[in-house]
Amino acid sequence: AQSVTQLGSHVSVSEGALVLLRCNYSSSVPPYLFWYVQYPNQGLQLLLKYTSAATLVKGINGFEAEFKKSETSFHLTKPSAHMSDAAEYFCAVRGIKAAGNKLTFGGGTRVLVKP
Amino acid sequence: KAGVTQTPRYLIKTRGQQVTLSCSPISGHRSVSWYQQTPGQGLQFLFEYFSETQRNKGNFPGRFSGRQFSNSRSEMNVSTLELGDSALYLCASSLGTSGGFNEQFFGPGTRLTVL
Repeated sequence: AQSVTQLGSHVSVSEGALVLLRCNYSSSVPPYLFWYVQYPNQGLQLLLKYTSAATLVKGINGFEAEFKKSETSFHLTKPSAHMSDAAEYFCAVRGIKAAGNKLTFGGGTRVLVKP
Repeated sequence: KAGVTQTPRYLIKTRGQQVTLSCSPISGHRSVSWYQQTPGQGLQFLFEYFSETQRNKGNFPGRFSGRQFSNSRSEMNVSTLELGDSALYLCASSLGTSGGFNEQFFGPGTRLTVL
């Protein structure tokens, strides 16, 4: 079974500083990988996805993530944090050969941005 | 194009009651997935429907059920509510075509509180 681990349930960054959120997956075959963001009282919004094309994936709002097969990782970064980045971020996986759209999520990382 | 809508947005029930939540997918989307989000367990997959058939099911008791109608709208039902069923229930829709990647679009969720 696939699983996802997000290191750090809370991350605090200063405005303008680098944002780094860690995600490691467990799967015998590299899966589809996703990062979602959730703002208070809202659903999930897709930030970016890895679907076995380029290993460096650029998403919305200046975020990007790099797929590293050797490290089974898909860490999310943003060079310069903005106050509007304060939210909860979820890493998720889906098997490439899996039927349907079942996503397995990590525990989430809540980002606090300090002025 | 209108997004995924969920009704109601907030719901308060008492233990032992039953509840029905509704999800209207994006026009043209045939797959609807349901997820439960709680502080303790995080985001967990409940089930997925595609063309009125359940395609995937998570590890939830039989008290949780769902269905999909011919217009792709979906409902989920929870019978004999327990305090632990208090959660944000998220619905996600996608085109659902087999093979490859189908992006899922999430609704804002229904916040269920069981007293």
